Amino acid sequence: AQKITQTQPGMFVQEKEAVTLDCTYDTSDPSYGLFWYKQPSSGEMIFLIYQGSYDQQNATEGRYSLNFQKARKSANLVISASQLGDSAMYFCAMREVGRAGTASKLTFGTGTRLQVTL
Amino acid sequence: DTGVSQDPRHKITKRGQNVTFRCDPISEHNRLYWYRQTLGQGPEFLTYFQNEAQLEKSRLLSDRFSAERPKGSFSTLEIQRTEQGDSAMYLCASSQGAAEAFFGQGTRLTVV
Repeated sequence: AQKITQTQPGMFVQEKEAVTLDCTYDTSDPSYGLFWYKQPSSGEMIFLIYQGSYDQQNATEGRYSLNFQKARKSANLVISASQLGDSAMYFCAMREVGRAGTASKLTFGTGTRLQVTL
Repeated sequence: DTGVSQDPRHKITKRGQNVTFRCDPISEHNRLYWYRQTLGQGPEFLTYFQNEAQLEKSRLLSDRFSAERPKGSFSTLEIQRTEQGDSAMYLCASSQGAAEAFFGQGTRLTVV
């Protein structure tokens, strides 16, 4: 079963507008972490924001915020005041507990390509 | 530059040849991960190390793949007898414990 689902293959947003990128996840582990990464055309994965399953408040990092709805198992990324440089692939990921019993690998979704237009 | 560095950035090889990639993590990070990313997909986990110990390997990692982290610092990923299906971006990441992972720019492998 797919553990991270990103249903939007592509999104367009006008410069200076806000955009929401959707992410739903599936886990039976009560303790988990959710991440968003940005991947520009250069290929490097850039960490944006993290939300822990026990965090009471939604995470925010500058123009990025994570809309965490635990009961719905969703962790949407909101980018405010979009800039041309935000055009990239965006991946949602979940950290699982590995066989060693510690939090280890990330499981990624298939990504959303965001295009910011003038 | 104190980020994760990978070498080479690009590699073209003939089917059947062996290739080796290197990853230098952020120096104070004890965990090192390898992922593979094919076109249109998110990265898929291959293996990870805590210090020099390889703690987990994905079922994706066939016998032709081997990874080492001999002194708990840099790591190498070797693919023997490459196949066309091995063509992908190979990403390395490092973290301090369970904190967020930082990725390198990847090695793009093309098997012809």
